[in-house]
Amino acid sequence: EAGVTQFPSHSVIEKGQTVTLRCDPISGHDNLYWYRRVMGKEIKFLLHFVKESKQDESGMPNNRFLAERTGGTYSTLKVQPAELEDSGVYFCASSQRQGRNEQFFGPGTRLTVL
Amino acid sequence: DAKTTQPTSMDCAEGRAANLPCNHSTISGNEYVYWYRQIHSQGPQYIIHGLKNNETNEMASLIITEDRKSSTLILPHATLRDTAVYYCIVGSARQLTFGSGTQLTVLP
Repeated sequence: EAGVTQFPSHSVIEKGQTVTLRCDPISGHDNLYWYRRVMGKEIKFLLHFVKESKQDESGMPNNRFLAERTGGTYSTLKVQPAELEDSGVYFCASSQRQGRNEQFFGPGTRLTVL
Repeated sequence: DAKTTQPTSMDCAEGRAANLPCNHSTISGNEYVYWYRQIHSQGPQYIIHGLKNNETNEMASLIITEDRKSSTLILPHATLRDTAVYYCIVGSARQLTFGSGTQLTVLP
């Protein structure tokens, strides 16, 4: 069974540009999460999808970030326009159902904003 | 979610048991204790979780005190590949709150 995959693995962009990160969860997992670690700080929750619906987006830092999960399969996280402080590693995770099941994390996308 | 306190770092000899403590004195009755680890810039990896009873799986054992204010993750026979940052997380399974964790270094 394939794990959670993320694309790209690395992205280097200039301040003001737009970047779109993609996450493919484990097949059959209804729950999809985005997290990020910026500049040596702790890993922080961004948002949670159940199928195509946003269940909790309390961690989204501002309106420059837009997450979508059309059709309830893969998800994208767009940053527009990117700022220097957005640099960091963005992780995606998925789980089978809400409750107490484990979250399976992808390898992350390292974003560098110059 | 309840706050957790973990030592910043620990060393363990290869082949010996690694015991990683975690304090969570403000845990509420329905909050679970989860352990994840992150091996050098990979994505976090689930290890184990529990509510009240001690738990064991193929990776580790989790010992939770009777008052639930602290817990210990036990890796019974640590290997060099267990070197990682270990996170003790209390609260919701839907929104994991990572702290700074414990850097475990397994020494040859």
